[in-house]
Amino acid sequence: AQSVTQPDIHITVSEGASLELRCNYSYGATPYLFWYVQSPGQGLQLLLKYFSGDTLVQGIKGFEAEFKRSQSSFNLRKPSVHWSDAAEYFCAVGGSNDYKLSFGAGTTVTVRA
Amino acid sequence: EAGVAQSPRYKIIEKRQSVAFWCNPISGHATLYWYQQILGQGPKLLIQFQNNGVVDDSQLPKDRFSAERLKGVDSTLKIQPAKLEDSAVYLCASNIDYVDTQYFGPGTRLTVL
Repeated sequence: AQSVTQPDIHITVSEGASLELRCNYSYGATPYLFWYVQSPGQGLQLLLKYFSGDTLVQGIKGFEAEFKRSQSSFNLRKPSVHWSDAAEYFCAVGGSNDYKLSFGAGTTVTVRA
Repeated sequence: EAGVAQSPRYKIIEKRQSVAFWCNPISGHATLYWYQQILGQGPKLLIQFQNNGVVDDSQLPKDRFSAERLKGVDSTLKIQPAKLEDSAVYLCASNIDYVDTQYFGPGTRLTVL
């Protein structure tokens, strides 16, 4: 069975500082990996996805993520955080057979001035 | 392009009552999903439709939950009777095909008292 672990429940970061959110997955075959962001009262918005190819993936809003097969990880990074990045972030893994998504529990990001 | 629409946005009911949620996917999207997101957890897939047909409802509590997608467009999710543990945000998502990125609606927040 596929699963995702996001070890950090809550992260606080200063505006302008860098951000890294951790994601570890479990999947028996080649995983398809996603990062979504959810602002209060909003639906989930896709930040980026990895299907194959270059293991460093660029997304929207200045985010990037790196797939490391040996570590079963897909960590999300942003070099300089803006106050508008305060939100909840979800990592998800999908299967190459059915693309059914399994989500992690999420990491809440607070940005302080 | 209009996004995924959901209504109502909020609903408060007493336990043992019935409730229904409505979803209108993005035009042309054949695949539609209903997720349950309990506070502090990631979304969990309840049911997946491909056009009119159910692809996966393995995690749908069929003794109380039902869903339909008439004419391959709009969908309704019903809970009858509701329990306290059904309090959650119910998210609808759609994509052109199951291999495509899923686009999420804003969700319906259900509170069962």
